[in-house]
Amino acid sequence: KNEVEQSPQNLTAQEGEFITINCSYSVGISALHWLQQHPGGGIVSLFMLSSGKKKHGRLIATINIQEKHSSLHITASHPRDSAVYICAVAYSGGGADGLTFGKGTHLIIQP
Amino acid sequence: DTGVSQDPRHKITKRGQNVTFRCDPISEHNRLYWYRQTLGQGPEFLTYFQNEAQLEKSRLLSDRFSAERPKGSFSTLEIQRTEQGDSAMYLCASSLAVDRLIGTDTQYFGPGTRLTVL
Repeated sequence: KNEVEQSPQNLTAQEGEFITINCSYSVGISALHWLQQHPGGGIVSLFMLSSGKKKHGRLIATINIQEKHSSLHITASHPRDSAVYICAVAYSGGGADGLTFGKGTHLIIQP
Repeated sequence: DTGVSQDPRHKITKRGQNVTFRCDPISEHNRLYWYRQTLGQGPEFLTYFQNEAQLEKSRLLSDRFSAERPKGSFSTLEIQRTEQGDSAMYLCASSLAVDRLIGTDTQYFGPGTRLTVL
């Protein structure tokens, strides 16, 4: 089965720190998504990218297609950034698997 | 509120009962997805619709699961003869697809329906 691996699984940091969450996948993809999930279940789409880099506010997402790796960075982290961050990919072959999700990175930002 | 809505938000049922969940997508969105998420895991794809057509079904979707989107608007997910292993959060998402490839569109998620099977 094609896997999506995220690291770290859990991350606790102090307010203001620069945060990096990593995602790696095993085969060619057509798109990679970064999602944010708050307690209670609500999921918000942060980025969808297939190459290069995207930035939105304090969030930056990068992808290296050759390395099959993506990173999500949070600059000047804040306690409200505390959430689970999930990486998901759409494999190039499409098919019945739809999006394949990582298990998520549980981020806690302490004041 | 013009986001994705799901009903009910919570459902507790006894093993063997049938349950039905509803998802109302963002009105102009042509794609609708169902996912399942168990505690501590990422979501898993179940199925998706392009308008009223169900185009893909995961191997996770056993014969006890059926989904419909009769008029290309809201969708229902029914689970027959529920089992304890069906306990999970069922998430719905919708998108406006401009590319035929699944997963290349930004998806907007509903709040989910948490199912507990006793």
